[in-house]
Formats: sequence, structure tokens, C-alpha cells
Amino acid sequence: KAGVTQTPRYLIKTRGQQVTLSCSPISGHRSVSWYQQTPGQGLQFLFEYFSETQRNKGNFPGRFSGRQFSNSRSEMNVSTLELGDSALYLCASSLPSGGEETQYFGPGTRLLVL
Amino acid sequence: QQPVQSPQAVILREGEDAVINCSSSKALYSVHWYRQKHGEAPVFLMILLKGGEQKGHDKISASFNEKKQQSSLYLTASQLSYSGTYFCGTSNQGGKLIFGQGTELSVKP
Repeated sequence: KAGVTQTPRYLIKTRGQQVTLSCSPISGHRSVSWYQQTPGQGLQFLFEYFSETQRNKGNFPGRFSGRQFSNSRSEMNVSTLELGDSALYLCASSLPSGGEETQYFGPGTRLLVL
Repeated sequence: QQPVQSPQAVILREGEDAVINCSSSKALYSVHWYRQKHGEAPVFLMILLKGGEQKGHDKISASFNEKKQQSSLYLTASQLSYSGTYFCGTSNQGGKLIFGQGTELSVKP
């Protein structure tokens, strides 16, 4: 089975712009979670989607949003980018539940905001 | 609330043992352990569910004490390949997985 894929792998944006990141889960996985990873804050949970519905949400501002499509692929969007949004964005997929099931991580999208 | 991992960093010689702890202030249903090598995605190691069972494979094992709301990861006879950052993730049943800050493990020859 193919693993979790994320596109693009690297991205450079300037402050004020918006960005959309994409995540394709492992075939058959219906839950997709997004995380922001920075050296100072570690792995921070953004949100989890299951069957096209946001099921859990972390403590991030409304500039961070996401959605999930009927084929379980997910996108996250960050509007009005700030310098502090520079990070590695990881998505992880799992079977029905994101809580007790193994989460399989993608390689991440490294975002640099200038 | 984010679980607390200790130590933050540890340096070992090949063959030595290490213990990484993960503590939470909230009741836990499950604890997940991952290892991330530099520049790579986190890789799943094991899940421990409420019940206090100990799991393990090869020379890496873990325990889960639900009363103390903590889990420990045991690495015995460490190998160079064990180097990386270890994260514990905690969940309170069907909820989101919250990760600790990570423990950086370096194994030297």
C-alpha cells in the first residue's frame, strides 16, 4: 500500500499570502489529522477530519482551516500568513478513529514564510 | 493539555539502556509512542491502551500506568539506529492525539 503523501513538499510564501496544503491518506483510511511541528513547540495538533467532518480541533487561530473530501483526501489552508507560521506541517491518516488507531504520518510540507 | 516528557535529551553509548517517561495531568485512555529521525516523518512504535499492559518488540518496550497517568518507554542494549526524537502522544478515548515535546536520544559508538 502506498503511504501518506503530501504536496507540495516545500513552499516559500510571503507574509499576508495564503497557502493550501494537500494530504492523501493511505487507501482505506478515513481519518486525517494535521499537525504543526516547530523546534520550539514540538508537534502541535491542528485538527482532525473524519468522513468529511471536522471531529477535533486544536488551539489555533481561525486563519487555519481545513476540509476533507469524499475520497478522504484532505487540505488545510492558512490565510494571512505570519512569520510564525513557518513550520513543518504533517498530516497523519488512520482507520476509523484518530484516537486509538495507529496514525501514519506523511513526509510533511515545509513552509517558510518570509 | 500537553503531556510532559522526561528527560528532554539523553546521550548513550551503544549497548546502554534508557528510559523515557511521559506524564499527563489528565486521565488517559491510550498512549502512543513514535520515533522521528532528523528530516523524516514520525514513525509509529507502539500503542498502549488503558489497562496497564506492557508491550514491546525487539529491545524496545513500554508500560502504561493509568493510575499514575504515565507511560515509560524502555530501550535496552541501544543501537545506533535508535537515535532520534521520541514522542509520546496521549488520547482520552476517541479524542485528539496530543504529543509531548519530545525526547532527543543520541546513541554514540
